[in-house]
Parts: sequence; C-alpha cells; structure tokens
Amino acid sequence: AAGVIQSPRHLIKEKRETATLKCYPIPRHDTVYWYQQGPGQDPQFLISFYEKMQSDKGSIPDRFSAQQFSDYHSELNMSSLELGDSALYFCASSFRGVRTEAFFGQGTRLTVV
Amino acid sequence: AQKVTQAQTEISVVEKEDVTLDCVYETRDTTYYLFWYKQPPSGELVFLIRRNSFDEQNEISGRYSWNFQKSTSSFNFTITASQVVDSAVYFCAGDNQAGTALIFGKGTTLSVSS
Repeated sequence: AAGVIQSPRHLIKEKRETATLKCYPIPRHDTVYWYQQGPGQDPQFLISFYEKMQSDKGSIPDRFSAQQFSDYHSELNMSSLELGDSALYFCASSFRGVRTEAFFGQGTRLTVV
Repeated sequence: AQKVTQAQTEISVVEKEDVTLDCVYETRDTTYYLFWYKQPPSGELVFLIRRNSFDEQNEISGRYSWNFQKSTSSFNFTITASQVVDSAVYFCAGDNQAGTALIFGKGTTLSVSS
C-alpha cells in the first residue's frame, strides 16, 4: 500500500540558509500535518492543512511557512536556519482530519551546521 | 488544554516477559480519540491503534492489547511475550479539541533484551 512520501530523507544546511521539505500524502488523503522532533523529544505539532487550507498552527516559528498544493502535496519552507532547527521533520496524512488514522512518513532529518 | 502523560520514561524487560505501557489523557472534552505509535530505532513513526472515547472495549491484535478506561482517561498498552523487535519508543497521543492535530506524550523507551 502507498505510504506518505517525504523528500529529501536527509538534508544538511548551513546557518542562515533556506530549506524546503516536501510531503506527498497517501492517495485520497485530504489532511496533512507537519511535526518537528528534536533528539530524544516527542513530536511537536507545527501546522496542518485540510483540503489545501491551513487548519491549525502549532509551535511553528515565523521563519517557517508551509502550504498544501492542488495535488494535496505539501511543502515546508524554512528560512534563516538556526542550529536549533536540526531535527527530524515528519509529515503525516489522514482522511478528514486527525480523528481518523494519521499515517506518518519516514521523516526528513535536517542538520544545520 | 489537553495533555498526554506517559509516566514511564524507560522500561527494560527480558524476552518473553509481558510489559504494560501507561498513558493518561487529560482533557475536558467528552469526545476524543487516542492513539499509540511505535518509533523503532530506524526513526519512522508507525501507527498502531486508534480508539475513541465511547469505546471501552479492549482490543487485541496478536501480542498487542489495549485497555481504555474512560473514568480515568487511561489508555494502556500491553505487549505479551515481548520480543527484541519490540524495542522502540512508544508514543501515546490524543487529538486536540478542534480535532486538527495530535498531541503526543513524552514517549516510553522499551528495551527488550534476549
């Protein structure tokens, strides 16, 4: 069965650079979520989209932005990267919101040097 | 605000032992959903189960079972006859009030030795 696809899997950037993470949800899923997981931490909710509209916002820095496109894929744009942005970034998708099963991608490991 | 508490930070067991991971969800909502996810050393988050607050039936899937008690908002996860491959971080999560995001607990690291 198709799963959530994230790219790239690994990314190394320097401080103050920009990064773009991509997420392709499971076919027919209309809801996408982004999470950030620091080392040894639990996943922290960043932002979610339902039917291409932002549905909720968590602890997402102003330097980050995201959107969901007409084909339902989503991109997380991160600018002015800081060392503290180094983390595992997960995208998840579900059908009709979080109260159905949300399936996660394998994550993008971002390292800022 | 909702809060997910996983009281056990780390658990170590020997293969074939049974182990129970605790989870308590604090919320004022009467309708909510709870989830368990497994994060093996490879890093991905694997969905295990979803349960709504109206369903207090226990669920069993192979060696895994879950016990939900609405009176205490606890959603405990038991692994029977644990195996080394069960070694992972297990996260309990609940939906937020708007149903737009999952709130995760701090996770329980389970180590199963042979």
